[in-house]
Amino acid sequence: DQQVKQNSPSLSVQEGRISILNCDYTNSMFDYFLWYKKYPAEGPTFLISISSIKDKNEDGRFTVFLNKSAKHLSLHIVPSQPGDSAVYFCAASGTGNQFYFGTGTSLTVIP
Amino acid sequence: GAGVSQSPRYKVAKRGQDVALRCDPISGHVSLFWYQQALGQGPEFLTYFQNEAQLDKSGLPSDRFFAERPEGSVSTLKIQRTQQEDSAVYLCASSSRGLATTQYFGPGTRLLVL
Repeated sequence: DQQVKQNSPSLSVQEGRISILNCDYTNSMFDYFLWYKKYPAEGPTFLISISSIKDKNEDGRFTVFLNKSAKHLSLHIVPSQPGDSAVYFCAASGTGNQFYFGTGTSLTVIP
Repeated sequence: GAGVSQSPRYKVAKRGQDVALRCDPISGHVSLFWYQQALGQGPEFLTYFQNEAQLDKSGLPSDRFFAERPEGSVSTLKIQRTQQEDSAVYLCASSSRGLATTQYFGPGTRLLVL
């Protein structure tokens, strides 16, 4: 029972363009969301987070948007750089201790 | 400062063997989490410690899995009588507080059970 879904397993974007990674969730009790980036043979690295009281959070080239009514969040990377090529996981938590992760989207930024 | 470290990085075990996986969290981090990540999947929660107390172990898949954090810092995840389905990457994460705070992950231990 996947509570956090990333329906696109992979995405390719030209360098300099915008990358948009999407994530959907089913549990309306989730109130904190994060994006992690993962390189091969390394653990996930925290990228950006957003709480449910906001609908947007920006950090440099990275912006996360949250649409609570649609139970959808997205990560925008602009401009995309080759070093952004990695697997991106979204994660969500609610009142419990658990973070629920999506299955990841593999982003390739083409130079 | 140092991040989360895990050892060993790779472990090959024969079916039926016991294994112990170690996690050293970021110094001073109160909370520690263990996750299991199967191939092509996202990390799945196993268990959570706040200091030395194991507050949630609902994600442990069977009673062959046991975790401890006796002094509130280093943690060990033990898997008894390993099975092939235990093959996965085991990730440890720590955070400075408990709920709904950013978790920092270690590099993981890749376990292969033959």
